[in-house]
Amino acid sequence: DAMVIQNPRYQVTQFGKPVTLSCSQTLNHNVMYWYQQKSSQAPKLLFHYYDKDFNNEADTPDNFQSRRPNTSFCFLDIRSPGLGDAAMYLCATSFDIGGEEKLFFGSGTQLSVL
Amino acid sequence: AQSVSQHNHHVILSEAASLELGCNYSYGGTVNLFWYVQYPGQHLQLLLKYFSGDPLVKGIKGFEAEFIKSKFSFNLRKPSVQWSDTAEYFCAVNPTGGYNKLIFGAGTRLAVHP
Repeated sequence: DAMVIQNPRYQVTQFGKPVTLSCSQTLNHNVMYWYQQKSSQAPKLLFHYYDKDFNNEADTPDNFQSRRPNTSFCFLDIRSPGLGDAAMYLCATSFDIGGEEKLFFGSGTQLSVL
Repeated sequence: AQSVSQHNHHVILSEAASLELGCNYSYGGTVNLFWYVQYPGQHLQLLLKYFSGDPLVKGIKGFEAEFIKSKFSFNLRKPSVQWSDTAEYFCAVNPTGGYNKLIFGAGTRLAVHP
């Protein structure tokens, strides 16, 4: 059974048109992460939530925002997608924030920008 | 900046061949080390991890990895691969003492032919 669920699997948007990607978890984990993975590149952490505390990576563009209305759900908002934002977006969770924690990943949302 | 290098982007093997995937990282302090695997059409999942102690760690499905501190390496091995090992393998590093910020390598795609 899927524990970290991302919808949709594929998302197409237009240049400059806001888009929201969603992630839900059934693990009741405290921490939720969003990673961006461009083709043939390493997944790169954009930000994470520890409970309701939002932590943005220093090099995450302002164009990317996130919301976590409750423990189970987390959203990635791209305010004005550019062609360079086309990528796989991975949501992950962990029980706690420590560096030894195992991450549980969703299957990802592949975003295309036309 | 911290980084993770995976030496091979694509590896093709026949069944029963031995496997070694290289991983080197750049970071001066202590680290937690991980290998994640992504089977076709599935999500990333943990294969094995090293935090401390015996530098030779064993994971699921007959995989093992050896941490060589002097070489900043954490190579993944399997003595005899199977067709079902066809997947993409990601090495990841988490500097200790901070929050859970996995730094991934770009991945190695392994294709095992029957």
